[in-house]
Amino acid sequence: EPEVTQTPSHQVTQMGQEVILRCVPISNHLYFYWYRQILGQKVEFLVSFYNNEISEKSEIFDDQFSVERPDGSNFTLKIRSTKLEDSAMYFCAVSPLQVGNSPLHFGNGTRLTVT
Amino acid sequence: DQQVKQNSPSLSVQEGRISILNCDYTNSMFDYFLWYKKYPAEGPTFLISISSIKDKNEDGRFTVFLNKSAKHLSLHIVPSQPGDSAVYFCAASAPSGNDMRFGAGTRLTVKP
Repeated sequence: EPEVTQTPSHQVTQMGQEVILRCVPISNHLYFYWYRQILGQKVEFLVSFYNNEISEKSEIFDDQFSVERPDGSNFTLKIRSTKLEDSAMYFCAVSPLQVGNSPLHFGNGTRLTVT
Repeated sequence: DQQVKQNSPSLSVQEGRISILNCDYTNSMFDYFLWYKKYPAEGPTFLISISSIKDKNEDGRFTVFLNKSAKHLSLHIVPSQPGDSAVYFCAASAPSGNDMRFGAGTRLTVKP
């Protein structure tokens, strides 16, 4: 059973629309991450989240992106105004410990298609 | 961002033989290295890790070797099985950061 459940598995949206991708960890984890993989390319770090705030973000994670844990369980990634180049697989990952001390456990991803 | 590089996009081996997947890194601050395996339509699954204080870590058929001076690590799978066919990602993290950097992946095909 995966440590993380992601919904939806596939999201199709029109350019300029807002999307929210959801992640629900099964057990208690302290660290949360979003990664993305554009088709055929590498898995890219977007953002890490700890203690209800962003701990680190990449250059990809611009003002169009935001993350939150609205109810203490769901961890969401919001893209305010989607662009064609946002089409990718988005993976949520969790870890009980800080990166460098334990592996990340990934969900099965949400395939986002922006048309 | 090319801090972690996997220069071979694909590798094909015969069942029962050894598979060797390679990974190079440029950031000398990296001290924790991992290999992930990914099947289509699934997220990456953790396979094996190694910290920089070691040069080898073994788990069943999987062994990871770390050469810090060359900034190189490799994953050996022996014997290879058809079920090992997947994309393998090398990843690394530094103590100062709170992210993990991935290579581009190597698609391994194990032929029966």
